Amino acid sequence: DAKTTQPPSMDCAEGRAANLPCNHSTISGNEYVYWYRQIHSQGPQYIIHGLKNNETNEMASLIITEDRKSSTLILPHATLRDTAVYYCIVAALTGNQFYFGTGTSLTVIP
Amino acid sequence: ETGVTQSPTHLIKTRGQQVTLRCSSQSGHNTVSWYQQALGQGPQFIFQYYREEENGRGNFPPRFSGLQFPNYSSELNVNALELDDSALYLCASSPNGRALRDGYTFGSGTRLTVV
Repeated sequence: DAKTTQPPSMDCAEGRAANLPCNHSTISGNEYVYWYRQIHSQGPQYIIHGLKNNETNEMASLIITEDRKSSTLILPHATLRDTAVYYCIVAALTGNQFYFGTGTSLTVIP
Repeated sequence: ETGVTQSPTHLIKTRGQQVTLRCSSQSGHNTVSWYQQALGQGPQFIFQYYREEENGRGNFPPRFSGLQFPNYSSELNVNALELDDSALYLCASSPNGRALRDGYTFGSGTRLTVV
């Protein structure tokens, strides 16, 4: 069963920041927050992950609230190629599977 | 460094038949997982293989089976195909045994259609 809640869809204007929220109120202390995205008919692509500190890489930033019950993925300057389904996943390092849920379908509008 | 490769990319089978899907893991990755993704849904975990043994299984019947070979490549076998088995089958590999430290690298999947 998915342990996260995400809005089913969002739109974002090209060039603007896309902020994708995720609720994970039952997250355990040893569980990380992972974000993946899936462009139509391709396999999911890793974006970023974190435990409790904010993280940034070349693709995105991950903001995790202090109580760790929610997080936000930020794409700083969305492009048309960022149109995809974005999945927020919580998982422990000792686990062996991801529960994907249905994700957020992000549409970047020209 | 090569990524995860899956074959075939598309496949059409008849109900009741058997199918074998193949996956080559990313170089240096010793763990392979299989996921089923029905249309409009997120991927669902089928099972994982580590050191040639099954290391966890999702809620799938025994007619879904797998193998992992010494070179870490893997096969997914499905017997007695049903119409509901039509889906995108994704293979994912990771470098850390059972740990998820660096997440997974996914292949592009095999699109299976059962008619």
